[in-house]
Amino acid sequence: RKEVEQDPGPFNVPEGATVAFNCTYSNSASQSFFWYRQDCRKEPKLLMSVYSSGNEDGRFTAQLNRASQYISLLIRDSKLSDSATYLCVTYTGRRALTFGSGTRLQVQP
Amino acid sequence: EAQVTQNPRYLITVTGKKLTVTCSQNMNHEYMSWYRQDPGLGLRQIYYSMNVEVTDKGDVPEGYKVSRKEKRNFPLILESPSPNQTSLYFCASTTLPGAYGYTFGSGTRLTVV
Repeated sequence: RKEVEQDPGPFNVPEGATVAFNCTYSNSASQSFFWYRQDCRKEPKLLMSVYSSGNEDGRFTAQLNRASQYISLLIRDSKLSDSATYLCVTYTGRRALTFGSGTRLQVQP
Repeated sequence: EAQVTQNPRYLITVTGKKLTVTCSQNMNHEYMSWYRQDPGLGLRQIYYSMNVEVTDKGDVPEGYKVSRKEKRNFPLILESPSPNQTSLYFCASTTLPGAYGYTFGSGTRLTVV
């Protein structure tokens, strides 16, 4: 079983739609959580950290449920430029980030 | 501009021919790390370094070596590359991985034939 699991998608949504991704993690010792965005063949870029109380950054909202060990990302009012792969990431204190395989989002005009 | 710089961006080589992928960061970060990315497997850590002369294995270290003689540089060495090391490689750095995540370089696409 992978330590961080994501639905690979693709999620095909029209512009303006709201889309949500979930991710589950198996290591209960995970301390920190992040969402990264990766465009095709490019480097991953930090989108946002995920806090226990939930946090928002513009159109993006991240939630963490420690009891059920899942993380979510909500994107409101999708833009064409949001098309990318979204990587769910955990940190367990071993100085390594553990990455999910990613969920691909395609926003269509 | 704050960045992590990797070279080369693309490399095709033959089995057994030693190669080095360079990585440099200008942010004075203590932590540096190498990841490889393969389809369906996501990003996996090869080696990391907490500071100068301090390195440790990640999840997939076999066939790789690293060194950290200076804070800014963290080269990845493949002494005898094999076709199963064909992959997309990323170098990354950070002050504190748990708090800030990693900043990644642009990647090196390596093909071993």
